[in-house]
Amino acid sequence: EEQLLESGGGLVQPGGSLRLSCEASGFIFSSYEMNWVRQAPGKGLQWVAALDPSGHVPHYADSVKGRFTISRDNPKNTLYLQMKSLSAEDTAVYYCAKDRPRRTELWGQGTLVTVSS
Amino acid sequence: ENVLTQSPATLSLSPGEGATLSCRASQSVTTSLAWYQQRRGQAPRLLIYDASIRATGVPARFSGSGSGTDFTLTISSLEPDDFAVYYCQQRGSWPLTFGQGTRLEIK
Repeated sequence: EEQLLESGGGLVQPGGSLRLSCEASGFIFSSYEMNWVRQAPGKGLQWVAALDPSGHVPHYADSVKGRFTISRDNPKNTLYLQMKSLSAEDTAVYYCAKDRPRRTELWGQGTLVTVSS
Repeated sequence: ENVLTQSPATLSLSPGEGATLSCRASQSVTTSLAWYQQRRGQAPRLLIYDASIRATGVPARFSGSGSGTDFTLTISSLEPDDFAVYYCQQRGSWPLTFGQGTRLEIK
């Protein structure tokens, strides 16, 4: 069974940093583009970042560009999101997601990031 | 960025009725549009991609149509599990964007 398991969320102070991880299983991780999508409490979905299978071509939402870095370790079947200069507006559940061409077909259950003093 | 506008924001219907949800893009995406369902407390689930192709396991009562800037998700006969929030997402250009969602609630 294909699965994505996020970890690394928690409470962080404004201006702080956090690294999220997403462990994939049940499919050939190195063959797929991967994404991070977030959802602030009570709000809609917001795409955050995507990374191609090789790990060399990232894309970012304007709201996180320069502050967040998406990366992957294919031998470890793991996707990462390094977040810095966090603010209250970054408070959200962060979902890891697996893409196929022109769609996101598998989502993890999410990890909650709370930015607060 | 390509802004997606969904309407209505909330749709109140009864089980057995049909539902029509709209998604309009500020720039053409040809047919690179997907629809997702999110039930309360759950992760999103892919329903439709390439505007009209049902994802694996999605019931036939869900259908998508449209191209360019105007898209529609139709649910032919609502079942209790269909009451959820629905999002469209454009896949035509970076950054990827979602609509703000349509909440389908029981009348």
